[in-house]
Amino acid sequence: SYELTQAPSVSVSPGQTARITCSGDALSKRYPYWYQQKSGQAPVLVMFEDNRRPSGIPERFSGSISGTMATLTISGAQVEDEADYYCYSTDNNGNHVVFGGGTKLTVL
Amino acid sequence: EVQLVQSGAELKKSGESLTISCMGSGYSFLTYWTAWVRQKPGEGLEWMGFIYPDDSDTRYNPSFQGQVTISVDKSNNTAYLHWSSLKASDTAMYFCARHGVGNGMDVWGQGTTVTVSS
Repeated sequence: SYELTQAPSVSVSPGQTARITCSGDALSKRYPYWYQQKSGQAPVLVMFEDNRRPSGIPERFSGSISGTMATLTISGAQVEDEADYYCYSTDNNGNHVVFGGGTKLTVL
Repeated sequence: EVQLVQSGAELKKSGESLTISCMGSGYSFLTYWTAWVRQKPGEGLEWMGFIYPDDSDTRYNPSFQGQVTISVDKSNNTAYLHWSSLKASDTAMYFCARHGVGNGMDVWGQGTTVTVSS
């Protein structure tokens, strides 16, 4: 199965560490990508290849993977990090393309 | 600046046809996949398919195969998403995105809202 499963919601207070998980068999073969989508906006890539951040993404965002579970960690979450977060996986041949169901992060 | 610019919002009736567009600039449009992603109101992201402009190789999510057609015009760096007969259930926001090998969907268009009334 190439489904990716995410918890529907995570809630933290400002300054706390937020951990958003994504699980699925596909993750045993390749790293997921992580996207942040704020209300009314297009998604933004925040993490790829296990723990690489695109330019402009704050250092408080990090990624890890263990077995078939990947985790996006936001160390010292800020109010502006409140958003929906999606994991995504595909192989390099454009097969087995799937998004996780998304996790709503609340920071308050 | 690398960017994808999508066509404007559409209001259509069931049964009508529609094509929306996505124009890339600031990069080699022909050598990156262009993906289409659907987001229904209040729901998550769904990959619909993507196209490799250089040779028009196209892959579809089985859930969307036969429901939409993805195409490209290399001469103006534009990808298209086409419906021949819209349904009310096609009401959604549609995003296009640049998809590289190893860096996922790294640049997104602003989205096109499609509203279909029955």
